[in-house]
Amino acid sequence: SQTIHQWPATLVQPVGSPLSLECTVEGTSNPNLYWYRQAAGRGLQLLFYSVGIGQISSEVPQNLSASRPQDRQFILSSKKLLLSDSGFYLCAWSALPGTSGSNEQFFGPGTRLTVL
Amino acid sequence: AQTVTQSQPEMSVQEAETVILSCTYDTSESDYYLFWYKQPPSRQMILVIRQEAYKQQNATENRFSVNFQKAAKSFSLKISDSQLGDAAMYFCAYRRRYNFNKFYFGSGTKLNVKP
Repeated sequence: SQTIHQWPATLVQPVGSPLSLECTVEGTSNPNLYWYRQAAGRGLQLLFYSVGIGQISSEVPQNLSASRPQDRQFILSSKKLLLSDSGFYLCAWSALPGTSGSNEQFFGPGTRLTVL
Repeated sequence: AQTVTQSQPEMSVQEAETVILSCTYDTSESDYYLFWYKQPPSRQMILVIRQEAYKQQNATENRFSVNFQKAAKSFSLKISDSQLGDAAMYFCAYRRRYNFNKFYFGSGTKLNVKP
C-alpha cells in the first residue's frame, strides 16, 4: 500500500531563517506531487505541483520554492522566511491518469510551521 | 476559472441526527470529479466520498452520501446518524477529468457534533 510522509511535524523558525520541508511517498512510482498551505481556519492553497523529477509548476509566486530531486521526494524551501509563511503545509500525491488512485489526492500528515 | 464555494463556515448537529453540508462550484467543463474531504483535529486529510460528473447516480459510502445536482452545480454532503468522530472540517473539492494536476478546494465547513 502507498504511504506519504512529511517531516518535520512541527517547526518554529525565526523570521529570515531558511526552510526545508520534506515529503516522501512510498509504494508507488511516478506520482504527481503537490504542496498546499492552509492558513488557520482557512482552505487549501495550492503552492506547487510536480509531474516528474525536476518538473515544478508554481501556482502562487511568493517566498517559497519547490524541488523534486527524486521520483518520490518533494521538497519545499525558502531562503528567508516571512511571518506570513506561517501555516500548515500539506503534501499530497496522486497517481498517473488511468491508474488506480489517479482520481483523488492522498495527503500527508502535514507540517505546522510557525515563524516568529 | 473553477471555483468551489462552501457557504457554511460552521455547522452543528446532534449526535445520531442528520446534517447536510453545502457546496457549489463554477465550471464550464462537462466532465469532472467532485470530492468531499474530512480534516479532523489531527489535521490529516481523509477522502470521504467521490462523485464522477458523468454518473447520474449519487455516490454513497456508509453513512455518507451526496446530492449531486449537475445543472445547478451543487454537490452537498449528507451525514446520517452523526457520530462524535464526524466532528471535523469538511472540504469540497473539484477536479477536471482531463487535467489531473489541479484540485480546487472550498474554504471548508467546520462540523461540530453535540453529544
